[in-house]
Amino acid sequence: GENVEQHPSTLSVQEGDSAVIKCTYSDSASNYFPWYKQELGKRPQLIIDIRSNVGEKKDQRIAVTLNKTAKHFSLHITETQPEDSAVYFCAASTALGYFGNEKLTFGTGTRLTIIP
Amino acid sequence: EPEVTQTPSHQVTQMGQEVILRCVPISNHLYFYWYRQILGQKVEFLVSFYNNEISEKSEIFDDQFSVERPDGSNFTLKIRSTKLEDSAMYFCASRRTGTSDTDTQYFGPGTRLTVL
Repeated sequence: GENVEQHPSTLSVQEGDSAVIKCTYSDSASNYFPWYKQELGKRPQLIIDIRSNVGEKKDQRIAVTLNKTAKHFSLHITETQPEDSAVYFCAASTALGYFGNEKLTFGTGTRLTIIP
Repeated sequence: EPEVTQTPSHQVTQMGQEVILRCVPISNHLYFYWYRQILGQKVEFLVSFYNNEISEKSEIFDDQFSVERPDGSNFTLKIRSTKLEDSAMYFCASRRTGTSDTDTQYFGPGTRLTVL
């Protein structure tokens, strides 16, 4: 089955600097890669996702890049703000397709702390 | 914006007791999931459900677990005889369809299960 590795486990950056979180996956059939943000005691919330037919996607200060050959994808947060502090999880899925009900396999999470 | 809801928010039970965790998925969603997150660890897939039957289950989802959609709105997870190691946050998630433009799984706020 799919295995997702995520690094680093903790990351502290100064407010205004950029943060990068990296994930690798094992199953070449995976084609959907979401990123979830989880604040303490709250539900995971989707912040951005990317499909395997795209190499990069950006949404304001957040971007995700995907390298299918190397089987890794990364989350980039620019101009970080205190409210970006949270745990971030990457995930992988073979979700595409009409009968796509496939599960998400999550990485181990990165605790991001923004230092004011 | 519609959200997945879950009840109760916190359930405390004695080892060996049965518990039922309840979820109300987003109303026009067709795919339903249960995940769990042991404190400080990653989110793990338990089971997916579509068209009134289980689509996939993980090795965690043994004979002690069952899921049901008893009516048009609720989706439940039952643990027949709880063990200490079942203590975790349980998240319900739902997804609209299986087509590629609706991959997003939306998570509920979770039920924290504590087994004493």
